[in-house]
Amino acid sequence: KAGVTQTPRYLIKTRGQQVTLSCSPISGHRSVSWYQQTPGQGLQFLFEYFSETQRNKGNFPGRFSGRQFSNSRSEMNVSTLELGDSALYLCASSTAGLDSPLHFGNGTRLTVT
Amino acid sequence: SQQGEEDPQALSIQEGENATMNCSYKTSINNLQWYRQNSGRGLVHLILIRSNEREKHSGRLRVTLDTSKKSSSLLITASRAADTASYFCATGLYGGATNKLIFGTGTLLAVQP
Repeated sequence: KAGVTQTPRYLIKTRGQQVTLSCSPISGHRSVSWYQQTPGQGLQFLFEYFSETQRNKGNFPGRFSGRQFSNSRSEMNVSTLELGDSALYLCASSTAGLDSPLHFGNGTRLTVT
Repeated sequence: SQQGEEDPQALSIQEGENATMNCSYKTSINNLQWYRQNSGRGLVHLILIRSNEREKHSGRLRVTLDTSKKSSSLLITASRAADTASYFCATGLYGGATNKLIFGTGTLLAVQP
């Protein structure tokens, strides 16, 4: 079974731009969640989608948004990029959501200059 | 602030020795999970232990949970160089406005050959 696929692997953007990250979950997994990982803040929960609906949300500004498609693939968008948005963005899928093991992709490394 | 705090922050041992990592958390939980992360890559799920369980084993891994002390420990027996990674605990919080999986700060384990 193919694992969680995140694209692109690396991304360099400038302040003020916007970016879209993509995540393809494991086949059959309906829950997709997103995390931001930085050296200073560690792993922080962004949001979780289940069957195309945002089910849970972390404490991030509205510049961070996401969506999930009918095939469970998910995208995350960050608008008006700031230097502090530089991070490893990780996507995880699971069968039932946050009460079951998460399967992570290898992440997208975003650098904002 | 982080829900989970791991201790120690870093641990260096020799191959064949046992490694113990501890996780403390602040609020009541539904479950606690342990993950491993190799440098710059996604997280790999190790064990999920529910709040009504006290101990769980998986191969060379042993996890304990003490809900009265709000703490958990991960024991890796007979460590190998391939166990070198960062280890995170994650606590599942349910109820209220948002369900969340909150990651701890991580323990960096180095196993010397």
